[in-house]
Amino acid sequence: NAGVTQTPKFRILKIGQSMTLQCTQDMNHNYMYWYRQDPGMGLKLIYYSVGAGITDKGEVPNGYNVSRSTTEDFPLRLELAAPSQTSVYFCASSYPQWSGVGSGKNIQYFGAGTRLSVL
Amino acid sequence: QKEVEQNSGPLSVPEGAIASLNCTYSDRGSQSFFWYRQYSGKSPELIMSIYSNGDKEDGRFTAQLNKASQYVSLLIRDSQPSDSATYLCAAPTNAGNNRKLIWGLGTSLAVNP
Repeated sequence: NAGVTQTPKFRILKIGQSMTLQCTQDMNHNYMYWYRQDPGMGLKLIYYSVGAGITDKGEVPNGYNVSRSTTEDFPLRLELAAPSQTSVYFCASSYPQWSGVGSGKNIQYFGAGTRLSVL
Repeated sequence: QKEVEQNSGPLSVPEGAIASLNCTYSDRGSQSFFWYRQYSGKSPELIMSIYSNGDKEDGRFTAQLNKASQYVSLLIRDSQPSDSATYLCAAPTNAGNNRKLIWGLGTSLAVNP
């Protein structure tokens, strides 16, 4: 299993450009998440999804959009990139608590991350 | 505001010593807790999960949970330089729903040869 796959690994954007960060998982997880992590800081939740067609905002959603058309994919869209969006972006997925997966409940599995610079 | 708090460190221990990492949480309804390790420039990876009061051991790692004191810890025995990383503590936001995790800011551990 590949787990959670993120592309691209690195990207440099100019101010005002747009891009989509791709995330796909092959574990049939219902829940998927997008985080950003600034240097020396903790994980901040941008958006999350509990299933295809259902998304919700996290702590820092401004400047981002998401969609979830399939169980596997959860892309993150940056519109009008700003220097404040320079960060490392992580996608994660998990089973929900009610899934009956036992000790695997709620554990989040992370992709390798996308390092984004906006100049 | 539900919180998970950790000492930021850095915690420095000599090789072979026991490293003790601590985490407190504010939500008394939290039922499960997670310790993740994050190497510099890498993504977080799960080290331990714990759901019941007491100790849970896995190799050199022991997680300890005390729900009455709202305290969870991670002990690393026989610390190795390869254990040098940031350790993140996390707990679900809602005991009945658990859709999201609240993350601590992490404790930086340095194991000196």
